[in-house]
Amino acid sequence: KNEVEQSPQNLTAQEGEFITINCSYSVGISALHWLQQHPGGGIVSLFMLSSGKKKHGRLIATINIQEKHSSLHITASHPRDSAVYICAVRAYGGSQGNLIFGKGTKLSVKP
Amino acid sequence: EPEVTQTPSHQVTQMGQEVILRCVPISNHLYFYWYRQILGQKVEFLVSFYNNEISEKSEIFDDQFSVERPDGSNFTLKIRSTKLEDSAMYFCASSVTRLRNEQYFGPGTRLTVT
Repeated sequence: KNEVEQSPQNLTAQEGEFITINCSYSVGISALHWLQQHPGGGIVSLFMLSSGKKKHGRLIATINIQEKHSSLHITASHPRDSAVYICAVRAYGGSQGNLIFGKGTKLSVKP
Repeated sequence: EPEVTQTPSHQVTQMGQEVILRCVPISNHLYFYWYRQILGQKVEFLVSFYNNEISEKSEIFDDQFSVERPDGSNFTLKIRSTKLEDSAMYFCASSVTRLRNEQYFGPGTRLTVT
C-alpha cells in the first residue's frame, strides 16, 4: 500500500519549460515536504507546507488539504534542475521524524 | 550556512561486522533522525532522537541498530552485525523543533555490505 503517490515517475523537459510534479496522499497529514535529491544522492529540503502555497525563486509548491494533493512547479526550467523530487508527508498525530516518502519523480531537463 | 555533515561518505564492510555511521547535526538543532534508502527504493524512516533518547523508531530499527549522541555534537548510528540487506544510503537529519521546522539532511553515507 502506497500512502504517498507521485506522478509522473519520470519527466523529461526542454530547458525553459514549465514543470509540474504531483503528489497525492491517503493519510491525514500535519505537514508535507518537498525534497530534492541530487544525482550524487544528497537530499535538500525545498519546502515544508501545511496549507496554501509557498514560493522560492523559480519553485512554487501548493497544497490542497481537502483533496490530499500537492504540486511542485518549476518555472523556466534549467538543466541544473535535473534531479529526483521527493514528496514526503508527516501523518497527523505522528512525530516529525516519521515522514512517509513517495518514490520520487526523476526530472531531466535538456538544454 | 550551517549544514549537517556525515562521515564517512562511503563505507564498505563485510557481512557480520559492526559499523558506526557518524553525523554532526546543526548546532542549535534538538531533534535528530536517521533514514535509509536502499538503491532504487524510496527513503525510509529509521529513528528519531531527542533529549538523549529515542522518541520514535520504525519496524526496520530492530535490535541490530542503536543510536547515540556520545559527546553533544556527534550523532551516531551503529549496526551491530551487518547483513547484505543493510546495504543502502543512510541519511542523518536534524531540526530545531519537533513540529514547526524543516528537517535538514546530511549528504548521506553509502554503506556497502559484502
